[in-house]
Amino acid sequence: SAVISQKPSRDICQRGTSLTIQCQVDSQVTMMFWYRQQPGQSLTLIATANQGSEATYESGFVIDKFPISRPNLTFSTLTVSNMSPEDSSIYLCSVESGGQGTLSSGNTIYFGEGSWLTVV
Amino acid sequence: GESVGLHLPTLSVQEGDNSIINCAYSNSASDYFIWYKQESGKGPQFIIDIRSNMDKRQGQRVTVLLNKTVKHLSLQIAATQPGDSAVYFCAENMRTGFQKLVFGTGTRLLVSP
Repeated sequence: SAVISQKPSRDICQRGTSLTIQCQVDSQVTMMFWYRQQPGQSLTLIATANQGSEATYESGFVIDKFPISRPNLTFSTLTVSNMSPEDSSIYLCSVESGGQGTLSSGNTIYFGEGSWLTVV
Repeated sequence: GESVGLHLPTLSVQEGDNSIINCAYSNSASDYFIWYKQESGKGPQFIIDIRSNMDKRQGQRVTVLLNKTVKHLSLQIAATQPGDSAVYFCAENMRTGFQKLVFGTGTRLLVSP
């Protein structure tokens, strides 16, 4: 299984500020994924971070609010911009174990421990 | 740590009982399904998966059943232990061959000693 490390693990942020979350994987992966889990809710895919190209965002999420970087095959960042209390969530990084982002036989999807953000 | 899923459906069982957690998925074309366990303050932990060409898969103390006819997924935990207490999520992959997981709403499992 992949070992995924996220920083910060927790933070309390002021309204209107931005925070960058880091995700480090212990092996090279083609695609990394960012999810959000709002309080009391399930996980929702924000975007797919592709190395060497712009991230692909899901419906309801935009680059200006959630800019993503993917400088190499083991690292990605997600920034939550101009935060409001509604952005208080757990932000989770995930990777597909085969490293290619395709769910071919024998591969599955692992998550980091998440970054727990509270916006006040 | 913080609680996840404060308003989730809850299944309460006694230690040693078998637990069954159910999930209805949305897309008949989904090809891959995963069960995750999420303990308080932690990220989702992979439990077991199943592909759409199977209807049953067994792991250590866990079994996943897939009924494609009614788009239903279940997780069976044998001899449930207090350490199994957590929120359990099913997830379906909506995009064949590439990752686009859609998660269910989750079920909280409470195991009493």
